[in-house]
Amino acid sequence: AQSVTQLDSHVSVSEGTPVLLRCNYSSSYSPSLFWYVQHPNKGLQLLLKYTSAATLVKGINGFEAEFKKSETSFHLTKPSAHMSDAAEYFCVVTFGGSNSGYALNFGKGTSLLVTP
Amino acid sequence: KAGVTQTPRYLIKTRGQQVTLSCSPISGHRSVSWYQQTPGQGLQFLFEYFSETQRNKGNFPGRFSGRQFSNSRSEMNVSTLELGDSALYLCASSSRGTGFTEAFFGQGTRLTVV
Repeated sequence: AQSVTQLDSHVSVSEGTPVLLRCNYSSSYSPSLFWYVQHPNKGLQLLLKYTSAATLVKGINGFEAEFKKSETSFHLTKPSAHMSDAAEYFCVVTFGGSNSGYALNFGKGTSLLVTP
Repeated sequence: KAGVTQTPRYLIKTRGQQVTLSCSPISGHRSVSWYQQTPGQGLQFLFEYFSETQRNKGNFPGRFSGRQFSNSRSEMNVSTLELGDSALYLCASSSRGTGFTEAFFGQGTRLTVV
């Protein structure tokens, strides 16, 4: 079974400091991994995706994530936090092929607070 | 290109009633999946449709059902509403609906059961 564990339910950083949101995955085979962000009262927006092409993935708004197979991790980072980054972040693993159906398996989410 | 459109955005229903939510995927996308988001359970997968066929179903009671039309638009229905069905219901569309493709989400329908 495929699953993800987000290690922190809340992270607080000061504006201009680095952001690290941690995610570990469990998968019996090579996973596809994603990070989504959800601002209050909004839908989910894709930040970045890993699909085995490159282990360091760059996303929107300056976010990056590195796939580390040996550590089964896919942590999200950003060098310098901005106030607008305050939101809920979800690490996601997909399962299913073209015939077996498709579904996203979400982590519990990490709430990022950015203080002035 | 228009995004995923969900209607209505907000609904208030009474226990025991039924409700139908609608989702129009991105043009050309054939996979539509539905998720329930609550503070306690987080985001949970309901079901997925591809070319009018339900391919996958999450662990929800039979009161939750869905369908997909030939134009890929999808509806989900919840019958005999319970207070615990109050949630944000999110629809996502994907181009091929395989494990390597990302999903794009609508704004959601906020359902309140009173």
